[in-house]
This record gives sequence, structure tokens and C-alpha cells, in this order.
Amino acid sequence: KNEVEQSPQNLTAQEGEFITINCSYSVGISALHWLQQHPGGGIVSLFMLSSGKKKHGRLIATINIQEKHSSLHITASHPRDSAVYICAVTPNTGNQFYFGTGTSLTVIP
Amino acid sequence: NAGVMQNPRHLVRRRGQEARLRCSPMKGHSHVYWYRQLPEEGLKFMVYLQKENIIDESGMPKERFSAEFPKEGPSILRIQQVVRGDSAAYFCASSPTLYEQYFGPGTRLTVT
Repeated sequence: KNEVEQSPQNLTAQEGEFITINCSYSVGISALHWLQQHPGGGIVSLFMLSSGKKKHGRLIATINIQEKHSSLHITASHPRDSAVYICAVTPNTGNQFYFGTGTSLTVIP
Repeated sequence: NAGVMQNPRHLVRRRGQEARLRCSPMKGHSHVYWYRQLPEEGLKFMVYLQKENIIDESGMPKERFSAEFPKEGPSILRIQQVVRGDSAAYFCASSPTLYEQYFGPGTRLTVT
């Protein structure tokens, strides 16, 4: 079983829709990260969270440490938001990231 | 401050050849991580290095793969006698701490 589970795996939305991507993890963590990867492209770090909520532009990330769950929200989605969104955690023990398998988002004009 | 640099961006090797992937961390970062992303799969940790030391190589295949981060110069991920199953995107990340990581653009290795 993967330490990090994401849902949905694939998501198609109309431009302007509100989008939510979910992430659940099974290990104790020191931080949770949301990453963005465009097709054939590199990986960009969107957020690093250890508690509460963070907002950057139209992106909002929340985390509930007790429930071991995080969500990434995109408000007023746009075709340029189309990408794979990856949830990753830094465990309390160990030096590495554990990654979810990613959510492939397509926003249709 | 330039970001994490990886080269080459694309690498084609025939089966049995060696592949050398280079990663230059961001200035001031002493932690380097290598990850592999197989086609249609998620990212997987391979190895974590600090200058001149391998800290955690629990994700490295036991044979043909090695990594180093010398005192001077980039970190190198070396794959000997490549096979088709090594075709993947290899990402390097560097970090000033244990918690935040900055990713490079990746090297896409194709083994023919």
C-alpha cells in the first residue's frame, strides 16, 4: 500500500469551475507538499504545509493533521491549470519524500 | 540565484551503454535527492546525498546504479549497462533543509 493516496486520478473540468484534489497519507509527517507537473515538464513546488491553510492566488491548500488529509483547491479554473498535481509528504522518520501517484487535471475552455 | 540544473535534458542510450546524469544544486544547498518517474507511474525516491556522503540509498536498485555528490562539481547519477526498463524521467532536487525541496527540470532517458 502506498503511503500517500490521491483522488481522483483524473479530473476534467470546465473553465471557471471550482476544483478539489484530495490527498490522504498513512505515516507521521513533518510536512506535506503539493507539486505541479506539466506534460513533459519539470516539477514546481506549489505549497509546503505542516498545519492549517495556505493560499496563493487562485490556489488554496489545507491540511488536517489529525485526519491525515490534505486538499488542494483551485478557484476559477483556467485551461493553463491543466497539469498533474502531486501530493508528497516528508515523514517524521527518514529523509525522503513519499509521493502520491498524481491527479491529472484537464480544464476545458 | 539559478534554480536546480540538470543535464542533459534528454539522453538516448543503447542497451548496454552507460548513462551519466548530472545535477547542480541551487547555490547554498547541500542536500541532493534523486527521484525516478517511470512512464505512467509516480515519482519514486532513489537516493539522498550530502557533500561527499550518501545518506540514504534505500531506493536505489542494488545493481548498475550509483550516485555521488563530490566536494566540487555536480551530483552524478550513473547507470551502467542500461536496459529498456531504465527508460524514465530522472529528477534531482536540492534542499537547504530536510523539509523543502526544489526540483530540477529532469533528464529523460530513453534506452533503445
